Amino acid sequence: QKEVEQDPGPLSVPEGAIVSLNCTYSNSAFQYFMWYRQYSRKGPELLMYTYSSGNKEDGRFTAQVDKSSKYISLFIRDSQPSDSATYLCAIRISNFGNEKLTFGTGTRLTIIP
Amino acid sequence: DTEVTQTPKHLVMGMTNKKSLKCEQHMGHRAMYWYKQKAKKPPELMFVYSYEKLSINESVPSRFSPECPNSSLLNLHLHALQPEDSALYLCASSQQGGKLFFGSGTQLSVL
Repeated sequence: QKEVEQDPGPLSVPEGAIVSLNCTYSNSAFQYFMWYRQYSRKGPELLMYTYSSGNKEDGRFTAQVDKSSKYISLFIRDSQPSDSATYLCAIRISNFGNEKLTFGTGTRLTIIP
Repeated sequence: DTEVTQTPKHLVMGMTNKKSLKCEQHMGHRAMYWYKQKAKKPPELMFVYSYEKLSINESVPSRFSPECPNSSLLNLHLHALQPEDSALYLCASSQQGGKLFFGSGTQLSVL
């Protein structure tokens, strides 16, 4: 079993729809949760960062963490064609001297105008 | 400013060449990373420097040699690479235990 599972998609939705992207993880020691957006041939861009269960909102983006179920989600409201990209969840155990980030496989998202 | 700058953006090299990738950040971050990313795959960790000392080497072949000259700079020296080493090489930085910021990457092709 992989440490982090993410539906690879691809996912296509019409412009203006609400998008839900999800990851599950197996290790309860994971403490820090991130979502990255990556355009083709570019570096990942940090969208959301959280370390507690519950919801965190930033503009059209909401990150949701449920530590009891080991489940994280990213919601995109009023989706735009510019949101078309690959979205990666990333989770970290922050031990002293251990800065390893474990990525999901990424979900390719296309927003159809 | 959350910028991590990588140069060059593109690099083509032969299997006998020696080249270097460079990374720079001015956010005061004390952890810096090299990742390798193949097409349609997530980034794979190669090396981590913490306070300018190598803290993690993910069993990377010796043809990849990292160097951290100071707290703002990170280099990756390349020698005798193989065609399968062609990939996007990403540099990242973070505060200890904090958010990880990536550069835009160097697209490497080995002929």
